[in-house]
Amino acid sequence: NAGVTQTPKFRVLKTGQSMTLLCAQDMNHEYMYWYRQDPGMGLRLIHYSVGEGTTAKGEVPDGYNVSRLKKQNFLLGLESAAPSQTSVYFCASSMGGGIYEQYFGPGTRLTVT
Amino acid sequence: AQTVTQSQPEMSVQEAETVTLSCTYDTSESDYYLFWYKQPPSRQMILVIRQEAYKQQNATENRFSVNFQKAAKSFSLKISDSQLGDAAMYFCAYRTGANSKLTFGKGITLSVRP
Repeated sequence: NAGVTQTPKFRVLKTGQSMTLLCAQDMNHEYMYWYRQDPGMGLRLIHYSVGEGTTAKGEVPDGYNVSRLKKQNFLLGLESAAPSQTSVYFCASSMGGGIYEQYFGPGTRLTVT
Repeated sequence: AQTVTQSQPEMSVQEAETVTLSCTYDTSESDYYLFWYKQPPSRQMILVIRQEAYKQQNATENRFSVNFQKAAKSFSLKISDSQLGDAAMYFCAYRTGANSKLTFGKGITLSVRP
């Protein structure tokens, strides 16, 4: 099992460019999440999904869109990148809520210049 | 809104000693769950330990244990016999029973002195 994988691992964008981050999990998990991590801020939830075809906003959703067309994939899109979106992005998945553990991907470091 | 507070940004411990990382949370819920995650320099987030609020017994995982004080809304992590590999950032997290979302604290950086 690969667990949770993220593509790409690093990316540099110019302001205004767009990109999509791909998250894939092979654990048949229902729930998937996108976080961003900034120094001194912990992990903040961007968007999440509780099943195929569903998405919901998290704490910091502005400037991002997501799609969950297949259960195993969760895509995060930036339509017009801004320097404020420079961050490390983590994807996670879990079997459910409650006591279930979230499994994290290795992260994507994105720099917007 | 639910909040998780980790008031100490950094801590240091001597190898083989014991260290306690503090965490407090704010909630009006009675059904919730608490977690500690570790993030080493590799950046990979790893679950260290978890606790159900309805359980009075403190969770333990080998050298890691928690001190769960429900009335005080406190959930501290104790690391015994600290090892160099324990050096990492540690995040406290909270989730209500009905919620799929985790709320994270800002983290604490733990260094281990040889």
